[in-house]
Amino acid sequence: GEDVEQSLFLSVREGDSSVINCTYTDSSSTYLYWYKQEPGAGLQLLTYIFSNMDMKQDQRLTVLLNKKDKHLSLRIADTQTGDSAIYFCAEKGNTGKLIFGQGTTLQVKP
Amino acid sequence: DSGVTQTPKHLITATGQRVTLRCSPRSGDLSVYWYQQSLDQGLQFLIQYYNGEERAKGNILERFSAQQFPDLHSELNLSSLELGDSALYFCASSVNSGNTEAFFGQGTRLTVV
Repeated sequence: GEDVEQSLFLSVREGDSSVINCTYTDSSSTYLYWYKQEPGAGLQLLTYIFSNMDMKQDQRLTVLLNKKDKHLSLRIADTQTGDSAIYFCAEKGNTGKLIFGQGTTLQVKP
Repeated sequence: DSGVTQTPKHLITATGQRVTLRCSPRSGDLSVYWYQQSLDQGLQFLIQYYNGEERAKGNILERFSAQQFPDLHSELNLSSLELGDSALYFCASSVNSGNTEAFFGQGTRLTVV
């Protein structure tokens, strides 16, 4: 089946690195995604990784994929207060629909 | 701005009523997805349309229905509303179902009182 799990909350200090973790169950997923949702706003696509990749870096964001363990992580370097939001991990199921985790609330303390 | 437009942004209605949520996908996108975000269920996939045809169904109640019109805009109809239907309803679009990126609208916040 298709299921995505995330820890619910992460608190870091401004300037530190944040690591948000996610596990998924569908080994046939071709793409895995990270979305950001700020309060009262929609979902913003941050980055995605193809399932045959181990790592993808995009400025302050680094995505690591361990396909054997079905584990995905998002690292945000030099976390800023503007990074405070809910971060959703998602896997792409059949037909293209996205299966989302519960979301991790990232709190960045000054 | 993702290019996906949802109207209305907010909707307050009474139990038992029927509402229609509207989504205009990004220009050129053929696939439209509807999602429901609630506190207890999280983000749940409801239904997908591709070029006017239903492509996939998720956890969509029988009281809910959707369609995609020839101009590719989509509507989600919610009827016999219950308090538990209060949620944020998102529409997303992509070029096709195999495309890597799906872009989300800002959502319609439905409150059932």
